[in-house]
Amino acid sequence: GAVVSQHPSWVICKSGTSVKIECRSLDFQATTMFWYRQFPKQSLMLMATSNEGSKATYEQGVEKDKFLINHASLTLSTLTVTSAHPEDSSFYICSARGSQGAVGANVLTFGAGSRLTVL
Amino acid sequence: AQSVTQLGSHVSVSEGALVLLRCNYSSSVPPYLFWYVQYPNQGLQLLLKYTTGATLVKGINGFEAEFKKSETSFHLTKPSAHMSDAAEYFCAVKGGGADGLTFGKGTHLIIQP
Repeated sequence: GAVVSQHPSWVICKSGTSVKIECRSLDFQATTMFWYRQFPKQSLMLMATSNEGSKATYEQGVEKDKFLINHASLTLSTLTVTSAHPEDSSFYICSARGSQGAVGANVLTFGAGSRLTVL
Repeated sequence: AQSVTQLGSHVSVSEGALVLLRCNYSSSVPPYLFWYVQYPNQGLQLLLKYTTGATLVKGINGFEAEFKKSETSFHLTKPSAHMSDAAEYFCAVKGGGADGLTFGKGTHLIIQP
């Protein structure tokens, strides 16, 4: 079945530094990847949608210069939190959908999430 | 636009008892509906989904849900709760951005021995 891997699963950084989170589809090609943010005991909020080879589409209220998303290949999308501050501390989860007719198509497969703590 | 309302942020049942987690949705188009489970510090695992066809959908771990258009509901049930069912459950509807899902706030299921 379709598997999505996120790395790192935990990251602690100092305020002002940048952090990169990777989302990989291990056994299928993901034409579309989604990035979500989840605050403690709350639901997932869609941050952005990225399609391979094109610019990400950000949801209203999400700063695109703050949360840089790159989807350079069909198996990898990255989220970079730039100049992180404590309020950026959260659980970031990616999901991926495969090409039409292929493994992972029409199914959103979620990664295990990455917990970011900014000191 | 789509939205999802999950009634009850916490639901507590005894082991062996019926589990009922409520979900109501609003959608301007025929909805695709999903239930996901999340264990602590983990991502989401798909329990079941409704797209078209049979309105009673069976999922993994003995869960099932019924799509009721007239009630705009997609409640999740399991006849007999197990301790391992304790987790956070999210109802979601397809929408938001380019096929991204809109999630409810989640229901924390507590299983009492």
